[in-house]
Amino acid sequence: AQSVTQPDIHITVSEGASLELRCNYSYGATPYLFWYVQSPGQGLQLLLKYFSGDTLVQGIKGFEAEFKRSQSSFNLRKPSVHWSDAAEYFCAVGGSGTASKLTFGTGTRLQVTL
Amino acid sequence: NAGVTQTPKFQVLKTGQSMTLQCAQDMNHEYMSWYRQDPGMGLRLIHYSVGAGITDQGEVPNGYNVSRSTTEDFPLRLLSAAPSQTSVYFCASSYSGLGRGYTFGSGTRLTVV
Repeated sequence: AQSVTQPDIHITVSEGASLELRCNYSYGATPYLFWYVQSPGQGLQLLLKYFSGDTLVQGIKGFEAEFKRSQSSFNLRKPSVHWSDAAEYFCAVGGSGTASKLTFGTGTRLQVTL
Repeated sequence: NAGVTQTPKFQVLKTGQSMTLQCAQDMNHEYMSWYRQDPGMGLRLIHYSVGAGITDQGEVPNGYNVSRSTTEDFPLRLLSAAPSQTSVYFCASSYSGLGRGYTFGSGTRLTVV
């Protein structure tokens, strides 16, 4: 069965500092990997996705993520965090053989201090 | 182009009542899904559909029913509401599975008392 682990429930960073949110997945074949962001009271917005090819993917809002098959990881990074990045971030995994079954992690809440 | 529209945004039900959460998309997406979001548990898949007339169960289907008579609409029915169904419900749609990612609605916050 596919699964996602986000080991950090809550992270606090200072504005301007770099950010890395961790995501580990379990999937039997080549995974489709996603990062979504959710602002309070809002739906989820897609930040970036990985299917194949270059293991470093660029997303919106200056975010990037790196797929590491050997570590079953898909960590999200941003070089310099802005106060508006405070939100909850979800990693998700799926695959071509389970077209609609997207499995989410439990999320990481990011707090940004000024 | 409204995207994915969910109604209502908020709802309070009494235990045992039934109701339907509405979801509509105007993007001609084949794939639609319902998720529930609970604190500390992320989003869990309730039911999904890969096209009109085709539905299947997700991770937590008990107590919920769906149908897909048109491409645009994918309503979620609570048959007999229970306090355990207090949650935030999200509908999502995609053009063709995961290839382009899912577009999410803004959610329905349901409280069962």
